Amino acid sequence: QVQLQESGPGLVKPSQTLSLTCTVSGGSIGSTNYYWSWIRQPAGKGLEWVGRVYFSGSTNYNPSLKSRVTISVDTSKNQFSLKLRSVTAADTAVYFCVRDKALGARSRFFDNWGQGTLVTVSS
Amino acid sequence: DIQMTQSPSSLSASVGDRVIITCQASQDITNYLNWYQQKPGKAPKLLIYDASNLETGVPSRFSGRKSGTDFTFTISSLQPEDIATYYCQQYDSFPYTFGQGTNLEIK
Repeated sequence: QVQLQESGPGLVKPSQTLSLTCTVSGGSIGSTNYYWSWIRQPAGKGLEWVGRVYFSGSTNYNPSLKSRVTISVDTSKNQFSLKLRSVTAADTAVYFCVRDKALGARSRFFDNWGQGTLVTVSS
Repeated sequence: DIQMTQSPSSLSASVGDRVIITCQASQDITNYLNWYQQKPGKAPKLLIYDASNLETGVPSRFSGRKSGTDFTFTISSLQPEDIATYYCQQYDSFPYTFGQGTNLEIK
Protein backbone atom coordinates (compact mmCIF):
# COMPACT_ATOMS: atom_id res chain seq x y z
CA GLN A 1 0.00 0.00 0.00
CA VAL A 2 1.65 3.19 -1.19
CA GLN A 3 1.65 6.05 1.27
CA LEU A 4 2.63 9.67 0.75
CA GLN A 5 3.67 12.04 3.50
CA GLU A 6 4.28 15.76 3.22
CA SER A 7 6.84 17.54 5.35
CA GLY A 8 8.10 21.07 5.65
CA PRO A 9 7.59 24.34 7.49
CA GLY A 10 4.05 25.29 8.37
CA LEU A 11 4.80 28.99 8.40
CA VAL A 12 6.56 30.99 5.71
CA LYS A 13 7.15 34.73 5.60
CA PRO A 14 5.87 36.80 2.68
CA SER A 15 8.34 37.06 -0.24
CA GLN A 16 10.19 33.95 0.92
CA THR A 17 10.22 30.45 -0.56
CA LEU A 18 7.81 27.71 0.43
CA SER A 19 9.55 24.33 0.44
CA LEU A 20 7.81 21.00 0.91
CA THR A 21 8.92 17.42 0.49
CA CYS A 22 6.81 14.35 -0.11
CA THR A 23 8.15 10.98 0.96
CA VAL A 24 6.72 7.98 -0.83
CA SER A 25 6.66 4.65 0.98
CA GLY A 26 5.43 1.22 -0.05
CA GLY A 27 6.23 1.79 -3.71
CA SER A 28 8.86 3.21 -6.01
CA ILE A 29 8.76 6.77 -7.23
CA GLY A 30 10.71 5.42 -10.21
CA SER A 31 7.69 3.58 -11.58
CA THR A 32 6.93 4.39 -15.21
CA ASN A 33 3.21 4.14 -14.43
CA TYR A 34 2.88 7.31 -12.38
CA TYR A 35 3.47 11.00 -12.23
CA TRP A 36 3.78 12.82 -8.90
CA SER A 37 1.76 15.96 -8.36
CA TRP A 38 1.21 18.78 -5.91
CA ILE A 39 -2.32 20.04 -5.39
CA ARG A 40 -3.30 22.82 -3.02
CA GLN A 41 -6.48 23.94 -1.33
CA PRO A 42 -7.01 27.26 0.45
CA ALA A 43 -9.19 27.01 3.51
CA GLY A 44 -12.83 26.57 2.57
CA LYS A 45 -12.06 26.65 -1.14
CA GLY A 46 -11.55 24.28 -4.04
CA LEU A 47 -8.61 22.33 -5.37
CA GLU A 48 -5.85 23.73 -7.56
CA TRP A 49 -3.34 21.56 -9.40
CA VAL A 50 0.12 23.08 -8.95
CA GLY A 51 2.22 20.79 -11.13
CA ARG A 52 3.74 17.36 -11.55
CA VAL A 53 7.04 15.57 -11.99
CA TYR A 54 7.97 12.28 -13.61
CA PHE A 55 10.72 10.06 -12.23
CA SER A 56 12.94 11.24 -15.08
CA GLY A 57 12.70 14.81 -13.80
CA SER A 58 10.33 15.97 -16.51
CA THR A 59 7.86 18.54 -15.17
CA ASN A 60 4.61 20.31 -16.03
CA TYR A 61 3.30 23.31 -14.15
CA ASN A 62 0.11 25.28 -13.81
CA PRO A 63 0.70 28.41 -15.93
CA SER A 64 -0.74 30.54 -13.14
CA LEU A 65 2.23 29.53 -10.94
CA LYS A 66 4.84 28.56 -13.49
CA SER A 67 7.09 31.57 -12.96
CA ARG A 68 7.41 30.82 -9.24
CA VAL A 69 7.32 27.03 -8.90
CA THR A 70 9.83 24.22 -9.17
CA ILE A 71 9.02 20.56 -8.61
CA SER A 72 11.86 18.09 -8.45
CA VAL A 73 12.37 14.41 -7.75
CA ASP A 74 15.00 12.47 -5.82
CA THR A 75 14.66 8.81 -6.77
CA SER A 76 17.42 7.75 -4.36
CA LYS A 77 15.33 8.99 -1.44
CA ASN A 78 11.95 8.14 -2.99
CA GLN A 79 10.92 11.77 -2.57
CA PHE A 80 9.68 14.66 -4.61
CA SER A 81 9.67 18.30 -3.64
CA LEU A 82 7.90 21.59 -4.20
CA LYS A 83 9.45 25.04 -4.10
CA LEU A 84 7.25 28.09 -4.48
CA ARG A 85 9.08 31.40 -4.55
CA SER A 86 7.98 34.90 -3.60
CA VAL A 87 4.96 33.73 -1.62
CA THR A 88 2.10 35.94 -0.53
CA ALA A 89 -0.90 35.39 1.70
CA ALA A 90 -2.73 34.04 -1.35
CA ASP A 91 -0.44 31.00 -1.24
CA THR A 92 -1.73 30.03 2.20
CA ALA A 93 -3.30 26.61 1.71
CA VAL A 94 -3.23 22.94 2.52
CA TYR A 95 -0.74 21.35 0.15
CA PHE A 96 -1.27 17.75 -0.89
CA CYS A 97 1.27 15.52 -2.56
CA VAL A 98 -0.46 13.11 -4.87
CA ARG A 99 0.27 10.12 -7.04
CA ASP A 100 -1.29 10.28 -10.44
CA LYS A 101 -1.76 7.41 -12.78
CA ALA A 102 -0.15 7.95 -16.14
CA LEU A 103 -2.04 7.52 -19.39
CA GLY A 104 0.66 8.21 -21.92
CA ALA A 105 1.52 11.85 -21.44
CA ARG A 106 -1.66 12.51 -19.48
CA SER A 107 -2.26 12.09 -15.79
CA ARG A 108 -5.30 9.84 -15.80
CA PHE A 109 -6.44 10.26 -12.22
CA PHE A 110 -5.18 11.17 -8.77
CA ASP A 111 -5.44 7.90 -6.89
CA ASN A 112 -3.28 8.28 -3.83
CA TRP A 113 -3.03 11.39 -1.68
CA GLY A 114 -0.95 12.49 1.26
CA GLN A 115 -2.85 13.75 4.28
CA GLY A 116 -2.00 17.33 3.39
CA THR A 117 -0.01 19.95 5.22
CA LEU A 118 -1.13 23.47 6.02
CA VAL A 119 1.27 26.20 5.00
CA THR A 120 0.51 29.68 6.24
CA VAL A 121 2.16 32.71 4.72
CA SER A 122 2.44 35.39 7.34
CA SER A 123 5.00 37.69 8.89
CA ASP B 1 -7.75 26.83 -18.95
CA ILE B 2 -10.73 24.51 -19.12
CA GLN B 3 -13.40 25.73 -16.71
CA MET B 4 -15.38 23.07 -14.87
CA THR B 5 -18.80 24.18 -13.66
CA GLN B 6 -20.51 22.03 -11.08
CA SER B 7 -24.11 22.26 -10.02
CA PRO B 8 -25.50 22.57 -7.54
CA SER B 9 -22.87 24.12 -5.28
CA SER B 10 -24.70 22.73 -2.27
CA LEU B 11 -27.35 20.11 -1.79
CA SER B 12 -29.41 18.85 1.11
CA ALA B 13 -30.99 15.41 0.81
CA SER B 14 -32.44 12.67 2.99
CA VAL B 15 -31.01 9.24 3.65
CA GLY B 16 -32.12 6.96 0.85
CA ASP B 17 -32.55 9.76 -1.68
CA ARG B 18 -31.10 9.68 -5.16
CA VAL B 19 -28.58 12.48 -5.53
CA ILE B 20 -27.35 13.86 -8.84
CA ILE B 21 -24.50 16.31 -9.38
CA THR B 22 -23.70 17.79 -12.77
CA CYS B 23 -20.40 18.97 -14.18
CA GLN B 24 -20.00 20.91 -17.40
CA ALA B 25 -16.70 21.60 -19.12
CA SER B 26 -16.02 24.82 -21.04
CA GLN B 27 -14.82 22.77 -23.98
CA ASP B 28 -14.88 19.18 -25.16
CA ILE B 29 -12.93 16.92 -22.82
CA THR B 30 -14.02 13.62 -24.38
CA ASN B 31 -14.48 11.41 -21.29
CA TYR B 32 -11.42 12.67 -19.47
CA LEU B 33 -13.26 13.37 -16.24
CA ASN B 34 -12.97 12.10 -12.68
CA TRP B 35 -15.02 12.48 -9.52
CA TYR B 36 -13.64 12.80 -6.00
CA GLN B 37 -15.13 12.81 -2.53
CA GLN B 38 -13.62 14.95 0.21
CA LYS B 39 -14.65 14.69 3.84
CA PRO B 40 -13.79 17.51 6.27
CA GLY B 41 -10.13 17.58 7.21
CA LYS B 42 -9.28 14.75 4.84
CA ALA B 43 -7.68 14.40 1.45
CA PRO B 44 -9.93 13.84 -1.55
CA LYS B 45 -10.67 10.27 -2.54
CA LEU B 46 -11.07 9.05 -6.10
CA LEU B 47 -14.53 7.58 -6.75
CA ILE B 48 -15.07 7.59 -10.50
CA TYR B 49 -12.51 7.81 -13.32
CA ASP B 50 -12.86 8.18 -17.07
CA ALA B 51 -16.37 9.57 -16.49
CA SER B 52 -18.00 6.25 -15.63
CA ASN B 53 -15.54 3.74 -14.18
CA LEU B 54 -15.91 2.92 -10.50
CA GLU B 55 -12.64 2.92 -8.57
CA THR B 56 -11.87 -0.37 -6.85
CA GLY B 57 -13.47 -0.63 -3.43
CA VAL B 58 -15.96 2.19 -3.98
CA PRO B 59 -19.59 1.23 -3.24
CA SER B 60 -21.76 0.57 -6.26
CA ARG B 61 -24.29 3.22 -5.22
CA PHE B 62 -21.88 5.72 -6.77
CA SER B 63 -21.91 6.08 -10.52
CA GLY B 64 -20.99 8.49 -13.27
CA ARG B 65 -21.92 9.02 -16.88
CA LYS B 66 -21.52 11.37 -19.77
CA SER B 67 -24.63 12.79 -21.35
CA GLY B 68 -23.94 14.91 -24.39
CA THR B 69 -21.44 17.50 -23.25
CA ASP B 70 -22.37 17.21 -19.57
CA PHE B 71 -21.24 14.76 -16.94
CA THR B 72 -23.38 13.48 -14.11
CA PHE B 73 -22.45 11.88 -10.82
CA THR B 74 -25.15 9.91 -9.01
CA ILE B 75 -25.56 8.44 -5.57
CA SER B 76 -28.42 5.99 -5.97
CA SER B 77 -29.34 5.82 -2.29
CA LEU B 78 -27.75 8.41 -0.01
CA GLN B 79 -26.11 7.08 3.12
CA PRO B 80 -25.07 9.10 6.20
CA GLU B 81 -21.39 8.45 5.46
CA ASP B 82 -21.74 10.12 2.06
CA ILE B 83 -21.77 13.55 3.65
CA ALA B 84 -18.87 15.29 1.96
CA THR B 85 -17.88 17.69 -0.77
CA TYR B 86 -17.69 16.25 -4.25
CA TYR B 87 -15.43 17.52 -7.04
CA CYS B 88 -15.19 16.81 -10.72
CA GLN B 89 -11.81 17.12 -12.43
CA GLN B 90 -10.73 17.17 -16.05
CA TYR B 91 -7.52 15.72 -17.37
CA ASP B 92 -7.95 16.54 -21.03
CA SER B 93 -5.34 19.28 -20.98
CA PHE B 94 -3.04 21.31 -18.77
CA PRO B 95 -3.63 22.73 -16.34
CA TYR B 96 -5.77 20.00 -14.83
CA THR B 97 -8.74 21.74 -13.26
CA PHE B 98 -11.44 20.93 -10.76
CA GLY B 99 -15.01 22.01 -10.38
CA GLN B 100 -15.79 24.32 -7.49
CA GLY B 101 -17.29 21.47 -5.48
CA THR B 102 -20.73 20.37 -4.33
CA ASN B 103 -21.29 20.35 -0.60
CA LEU B 104 -23.68 17.52 0.24
CA GLU B 105 -25.60 17.59 3.51
CA ILE B 106 -28.17 15.36 5.14
CA LYS B 107 -31.64 16.82 5.63
